[in-house]
Amino acid sequence: AQSVSQHNHHVILSEAASLELGCNYSYGGTVNLFWYVQYPGQHLQLLLKYFSGDPLVKGIKGFEAEFIKSKFSFNLRKPSVQWSDTAEYFCAVKGSTSGTYKYIFGTGTRLKVLA
Amino acid sequence: GAVVSQHPSRVICKSGTSVKIECRSLDFQATTMFWYRQFPKQSLMLMATSNEGSKATYEQGVEKDKFLINHASLTLSTLTVTSAHPEDSSFYICSASFEGTGGNQPQHFGDGTRLSIL
Repeated sequence: AQSVSQHNHHVILSEAASLELGCNYSYGGTVNLFWYVQYPGQHLQLLLKYFSGDPLVKGIKGFEAEFIKSKFSFNLRKPSVQWSDTAEYFCAVKGSTSGTYKYIFGTGTRLKVLA
Repeated sequence: GAVVSQHPSRVICKSGTSVKIECRSLDFQATTMFWYRQFPKQSLMLMATSNEGSKATYEQGVEKDKFLINHASLTLSTLTVTSAHPEDSSFYICSASFEGTGGNQPQHFGDGTRLSIL
């Protein structure tokens, strides 16, 4: 079955700490991978995306993610978090089956950064 | 760029009422629009995918006659919850995408609609 798994549901960090959020997916075909962020009171916004090429993808606000095909993973990282990174983060997979695209989202990770 | 407007942001109505939610892409043409439902502390659950000018594709378990989707233009899709009941209360989110060749475009999300059925 197609699925996206985010292992950490809640993460609390102090400012300047490093961040890594796990994302694993299960999908048989070619996939595109995304990380979205939802700041309090706002809509989902795209952080970064992977389609092909360099498996290390850099996004906005200092975030990056690495696609490891052998592990079906697309973990999100940031070397030094800020208070303003407090938000909910969603990993998403877009896969194609018989020409039809389908998005599957993980359950999200709530990040709280302490000032 | 890539702004999606969803309206209304909140609806409170009586059981049995039909509610229409609009999703508009303001500065791009959305060939594909998606409707999601989000339960508290859970992920977004895709309800249906709609392509402009054609019938929506519903996910398994989503009632077509209950959740009517219309995507009549490249900038507007509507979701109508017919004869809503308390169990339909939820947070509904739309997103829009321009699917060019290769299908490698991200989605752009609206702010969501909080639907409360009394």
